[in-house]
Amino acid sequence: QLQLVQSGAEVKKPGSSVKVSCKASGGTFSNYPISWVRQAPGQGLEWMGGIPPISGAANYAQKFQGRVTLTADESASTAYMDLSSLRPDDTAVYYCARGRYSSGWDLGSWGQGTLVIVSS
Amino acid sequence: DIVMTQSPDSLAVSLGERATINCKSSQSVLYSSKNKNYLAWYQQKPGQPPKLLIYWASTRESGVPDRFSGSGSGTDFTLTISSLQAEDVAVYYCQQYYSPPYTFGQGTRLEIK
Repeated sequence: QLQLVQSGAEVKKPGSSVKVSCKASGGTFSNYPISWVRQAPGQGLEWMGGIPPISGAANYAQKFQGRVTLTADESASTAYMDLSSLRPDDTAVYYCARGRYSSGWDLGSWGQGTLVIVSS
Repeated sequence: DIVMTQSPDSLAVSLGERATINCKSSQSVLYSSKNKNYLAWYQQKPGQPPKLLIYWASTRESGVPDRFSGSGSGTDFTLTISSLQAEDVAVYYCQQYYSPPYTFGQGTRLEIK
């Protein structure tokens, strides 16, 4: 059974960057796209972008273009989300999620979430 | 971007009664050549990540109780819970995975009346 395990909570200053990791275990990593979804406190789900590890060709929601970088290390079965120029309104829980099937962007498996707090 | 709009924003239903949540997309998410609607439904309980319930608009994920069903095509979709159980209290989201960005609806909060 696939599990996605994310890195721990972070507290960051405005203007800094954060890198969140998402390690897959118990299942195939490379053939399925990984999405990153965030959820601000008390708010809904927001798709930030996604990356198929096998190609490494990420696509991003326009809102995050230029601030977010998604990468994947197939050898480590780990995906990464790097968000720069952090603002207080980036405070949120960040989830990674794997596509239900190869080339699929419906999200069948989710990480536990990583809380990122941006505060001076 | 495809805008997903859910209705209602919140819903209170008695135990054992039917709950219906609607989702409308700003453009069709039906991939005609495959005859598939690229529409998923998720359930999120407090403090937990979302859980996939339904994909292809009407296919239940493995392990999801059969009281959950999805219907619709093109731009209009419905999630139905046929007989509400206490454990179904949650926020429900639709998502289109037809074209990026793979947008979500704003969510519908389901409570017990």
